[in-house]
Amino acid sequence: DVKVTQSSRYLVKRTGEKVFLECVQDMDHENMFWYRQDPGLGLRLIYFSYDVKMKEKGDIPEGYSVSREKKERFSLILESASTNQTSMYLCASSYSLGNTGELFFGEGSRLTVL
Amino acid sequence: QQQVKQSPQSLIVQKGGISIINCAYENTAFDYFPWYQQFPGKGPALLIAIRPDVSEKKEGRFTISFNKSAKQFSLHIMDSQPGDSATYFCAATYYGNNRLAFGKGNQVVVIP
Repeated sequence: DVKVTQSSRYLVKRTGEKVFLECVQDMDHENMFWYRQDPGLGLRLIYFSYDVKMKEKGDIPEGYSVSREKKERFSLILESASTNQTSMYLCASSYSLGNTGELFFGEGSRLTVL
Repeated sequence: QQQVKQSPQSLIVQKGGISIINCAYENTAFDYFPWYQQFPGKGPALLIAIRPDVSEKKEGRFTISFNKSAKQFSLHIMDSQPGDSATYFCAATYYGNNRLAFGKGNQVVVIP
């Protein structure tokens, strides 16, 4: 089975702290994604990567950056956390989406910024 | 601009009833329409998907109906069970695209 693992399920941080969310997939997928999920707003794409060291902005990249140094690992970075970044963060991976449309999601990281 | 619009936002259904969730899209280039199911505390997972060369696809109690001229597709859950209580997301993409356009999600609650 494909496994996407998000290292932290729950985090509590203070405003201004730097936050790292880590994601690892074990299926050699080219594409990796970071979404945030908020009630009533659905799944919003923050960043995605289609290859090592490659990244593209999604719909809401402001306040976030990403890093993909190895194919299996994709990190989301909040340089200076703010309270409006309190959310559920979901990592996902896929082969070519246009062929199957199948994203494999991790179980999420719930971040609270105080 | 949201590319995929989903309705209703929430739905309460009696056990054994039919749950229907509708989605509409704008981009006529879309050629793949998956539905994702998300249980509390879990990430979404692919439930069923359809391509526009067919008008309906059925997998067990789950059916997608597709209306290309209306640019609409819907998920029907027949004989709904309490275990179907989840959030359902419709989505769309096209060949060669590496992004999915998601609807905002629909919370389905099936009461015994």
